[in-house]
Amino acid sequence: DIQMTQSPSSVSASIGDRVIITCRASQGISSWLVWYQQKPGKAPKLLIYAASSLQSGVPSRFSGSGSGTEFTLTISSLQPEDFATYYCQQTDSFPRTFGQGTKVEIK
Amino acid sequence: EVQLVESGGGLVQPGGSLRLSCAVSGFTFNTYGMNWVRQAPGKGLEWLSYITSSSGSMYYADSVKGRFIISRDNAKDSLYLQMNSLRAEDTAVYYCARGNSAIGVWGEGTTVIVSS
Repeated sequence: DIQMTQSPSSVSASIGDRVIITCRASQGISSWLVWYQQKPGKAPKLLIYAASSLQSGVPSRFSGSGSGTEFTLTISSLQPEDFATYYCQQTDSFPRTFGQGTKVEIK
Repeated sequence: EVQLVESGGGLVQPGGSLRLSCAVSGFTFNTYGMNWVRQAPGKGLEWLSYITSSSGSMYYADSVKGRFIISRDNAKDSLYLQMNSLRAEDTAVYYCARGNSAIGVWGEGTTVIVSS
């Protein structure tokens, strides 16, 4: 099974900050990497698919990059509504696996 | 409007069984693969199972393989998860979710509590 490791586990940031979250796969997954945002008590929301494609309706301050085993999610200028937990997921093979999550908190 | 509505959650004793259902609307169900994903209290997301649009293939996480069975009824626009031999660690919110290479639509979840 492919293991997904996110870092950091949590980050404290201020409004307007640039935030970068990293996701590493235990083996190459090409660009089969997805990012989700989840707020407390809510279902996850798709942000980025195929490593770098922005889901329709998602603000352009979110971007994704990477391929193979190293991926990043960047929030270029953190907004109040971005405080949430972010998860990566590999969709290269079954079983699908998620990273452990990165909580973005207010500094 | 695309909707996924889970039902069937509740309190069950360890070793017991439960069947979750997911009723879908607003899209052509028989053209999409479907997933079950869960989230234990205070924990991260755990992918559980996937079924192809025609039920030709099913896949499972190691943690539920042999205990859980995913199925669907395209005539009823419904997805199911039969959960057997339930354990305390199966306590979670269970989400029905649409998609293969990315999960673009999620239900609101149904809560399963395994406790004596």
